[in-house]
Amino acid sequence: GNSVTQMEGPVTLSEEAFLTINCTYTATGYPSLFWYVQYPGEGLQLLLKATKADDKGSNKGFEATYRKETTSFHLEKGSVQVSDSAVYFCALSDNAGGTSYGKLTFGQGTILTVHP
Amino acid sequence: SQTIHQWPATLVQPVGSPLSLECTVEGTSNPNLYWYRQAAGRGLQLLFYSVGIGQISSEVPQNLSASRPQDRQFILSSKKLLLSDSGFYLCAWSAYRAEGYTFGSGTRLTVV
Repeated sequence: GNSVTQMEGPVTLSEEAFLTINCTYTATGYPSLFWYVQYPGEGLQLLLKATKADDKGSNKGFEATYRKETTSFHLEKGSVQVSDSAVYFCALSDNAGGTSYGKLTFGQGTILTVHP
Repeated sequence: SQTIHQWPATLVQPVGSPLSLECTVEGTSNPNLYWYRQAAGRGLQLLFYSVGIGQISSEVPQNLSASRPQDRQFILSSKKLLLSDSGFYLCAWSAYRAEGYTFGSGTRLTVV
């Protein structure tokens, strides 16, 4: 079955540091890949997505590139801010067809804390 | 535009009491609907999903049930809550054969 593995957290950084959160996946076919962000006490928000190999998703200074050869979708940001402190989830979409089409499989989440 | 509403935002219930959490979607038709539970502020566990009225798939055996009485309404229920039912419950929707979910703001349930 499909699975998503994220790097273990928590990740603690100083403001303006470079961020990488690793994400690798196992899937049949050609899934779409997503990063979601969850701020404290809130639901999840879509941060960015990529639908095919070599696509780069980007939003709010975050980027991730769909790497089919390494089955990875690592999240990066060049300079983090205190307001980026949140839980980040990597996910993939089942595109194999049938009633489960579009159902997301999530990683376990990575807690990011950014200090001033 | 499409919106998703989930309520209540917080709930404290005694053990053995019933539960009803409601989720509604506006601005779309025939959405796929999902209930997730999040424990310890981290991992997401898919509880139920629905691709149409009256069509419910359960991902894990548990003390909860779900119903979809209308196209854009998804209800999570329990007849008798357990302490282990405490957690953060999230509803989400996606358009059929589209990609990605939109999540509601969540319900924090504490069973005491």
